[in-house]
Amino acid sequence: GENVEQHPSTLSVQEGDSAVIKCTYSDSASNYFPWYKQELGKRPQLIIDIRSNVGEKKDQRIAVTLNKTAKHFSLHITETQPEDSAVYFCAATKGSSGTYKYIFGTGTRLKVLA
Amino acid sequence: DADVTQTPRNRITKTGKRIMLECSQTKGHDRMYWYRQDPGLGLRLIYYSFDVKDINKGEISDGYSVSRQAQAKFSLSLESAIPNQTALYFCATSDLDRNEQFFGPGTRLTVL
Repeated sequence: GENVEQHPSTLSVQEGDSAVIKCTYSDSASNYFPWYKQELGKRPQLIIDIRSNVGEKKDQRIAVTLNKTAKHFSLHITETQPEDSAVYFCAATKGSSGTYKYIFGTGTRLKVLA
Repeated sequence: DADVTQTPRNRITKTGKRIMLECSQTKGHDRMYWYRQDPGLGLRLIYYSFDVKDINKGEISDGYSVSRQAQAKFSLSLESAIPNQTALYFCATSDLDRNEQFFGPGTRLTVL
């Protein structure tokens, strides 16, 4: 069945360093790839997303890259800050206008050490 | 602000009891979802609904049922709760034009 693998499960970085989280999806028809951030005790919230017709997207310190051939996408956070500490989830879905269900990765707990 | 709300926020119950978790939204979205979150397992889809007359099973629907009473309300029921249903449950919504999902605050359910 459809599957999204996410690595690593935990990641510790020093403040100011970069963090990279990687996801691989199984369904080649997937065309929308969001990333969600979940702070401790809070609900997941969208931080960035990418569609299959784009290879890279950037928003200030965060960026996402997509390799459709290899079926993987990555989240890059530069100049990490303590407030970046959270659990990050990737997801994949297909169909236009959210017509299909999301498949989420298992999450990465990022700790930014001051 | 338009939002997604869940009741109750916390619930402790006993094995065999019937439990209902409720979700309401003021975003005007058609699509609603129920997820379960367990440590190390991420968010797993239980049921989803694309409109009032449409209900679909997700990857872990066994032991759960849902009701879409109106566009704004989507309830999740555990007919006979068991301890391995102890988890954090999230409701989410999305609209026709965008793929982004908006999550509720979550319900922490403990089954003893």
